Amino acid sequence: GAGVSQTPSNKVTEKGKYVELRCDPISGHTALYWYRQSLGQGPEFLIYFQGTGAADDSGLPNDRFFAVRPEGSVSTLKIQRTERGDSAVYLCASSFTRTGTELFFGEGSRLTVL
Amino acid sequence: QKEVEQNSGPLSVPEGAIASLNCTYSDRGSQSFFWYRQYSGKSPELIMSIYSNGDKEDGRFTAQLNKASQYVSLLIRDSQPSDSATYLCAAPWRNQGGKLIFGQGTELSVKP
Repeated sequence: GAGVSQTPSNKVTEKGKYVELRCDPISGHTALYWYRQSLGQGPEFLIYFQGTGAADDSGLPNDRFFAVRPEGSVSTLKIQRTERGDSAVYLCASSFTRTGTELFFGEGSRLTVL
Repeated sequence: QKEVEQNSGPLSVPEGAIASLNCTYSDRGSQSFFWYRQYSGKSPELIMSIYSNGDKEDGRFTAQLNKASQYVSLLIRDSQPSDSATYLCAAPWRNQGGKLIFGQGTELSVKP
């Protein structure tokens, strides 16, 4: 596709449920990033992939959060036992190289935990 | 102290005026800085990058970097209502390319 694609665009779930958010980066981009943005705040770093491996997962808040990128392209962010505090917009971004600092963002997945 | 700090605003300027957005950072080793624009309900998009002390101009936008004082600013000349958005300052964590740290953003409103 022409840009970073994220699905679903909106997800409403109940506290304690499991959620998966998907990101399809720009073709050819080797680096993929997940950020979380709460209202009135800047994006908060979660995890960064270079190829298939997680190069830096220091932003994942706890072990309920996990992300994979098995074939070096599409990535899935997985959240177990969701809590109301997980409600936010989850942004995915990709860049051409590991040190490529122009990040191209998707439109985000808005997660609401009731 | 947060790694990257911005005044959250909102900053309101009249159309045609100069809007000045400021950002400070804590890591003296930071070498590169970025300004992203985010319209309400949309995702961030890169508008300026700056790597060296001094000014960098691109159309109506000028980024200014002062490494000694650890601040970076964005000037928008001849502000237009279409410039109304949140402006995010960002820098790589420990100058590593992967982890980009964002400030909380400054909301700019340009009044016609």
